[in-house]
Amino acid sequence: ILNVEQSPQSLHVQEGDSTNFTCSFPSSNFYALHWYRWETAKSPEALFVMTLNGDEKKKGRISATLNTKEGYSYLYIKGSQPEDSATYLCAPDRGAGGFKTIFGAGTRLFVKA
Amino acid sequence: NAGVTQTPKFRILKIGQSMTLQCAQDMNHNYMYWYRQDPGMGLKLIYYSVGAGITDKGEVPNGYNVSRSTTEDFPLRLELAAPSQTSVYFCASSYSSGRGDTQYFGPGTRLTVL
Repeated sequence: ILNVEQSPQSLHVQEGDSTNFTCSFPSSNFYALHWYRWETAKSPEALFVMTLNGDEKKKGRISATLNTKEGYSYLYIKGSQPEDSATYLCAPDRGAGGFKTIFGAGTRLFVKA
Repeated sequence: NAGVTQTPKFRILKIGQSMTLQCAQDMNHNYMYWYRQDPGMGLKLIYYSVGAGITDKGEVPNGYNVSRSTTEDFPLRLELAAPSQTSVYFCASSYSSGRGDTQYFGPGTRLTVL
């Protein structure tokens, strides 16, 4: 079983604050890593997928980095806005195929205006 | 293009009843999945399918059954519902690209078993 740990479990920030979350996973049998964004009452939506050590991805104010050797990924949000309020899921793959994806419990972000 | 659709959105069952959760996708994805999501836990894979006629168990298959007769549809059957099956159920699909398949999720079905 691949253990995925995300920290913190929840985070409250003020509008304009920059923040970051951590995802840690066993570095053995790494295949790919996904970040999903999950708004309340909606379904998860893909943010990034990364496959190589040192990968960095960026989408607007959100970016992510990947370290496969030590088994962690960071997600950064610059200048948080209320619409960034959501749960951010980290999901490493332990092989090819979505059935090899293991989802973390997520970090829940609350951004206060 | 509707993506992944699920019905019903909400359902209350009595212990011992059965029901089928419907899932359909119109993206011609070969892979489809059923997950359950319990408070404080990550999404847990119940069953998955890699193509029409091919299904396999995930992490938490007990109490459920699936079938996949077409590329588009992947229903989940609950037999003899139990309170432990109270959860939110998500269907998802993906196209097998070889590495890092992005999954597309349906809106979910909230099931309560009393």
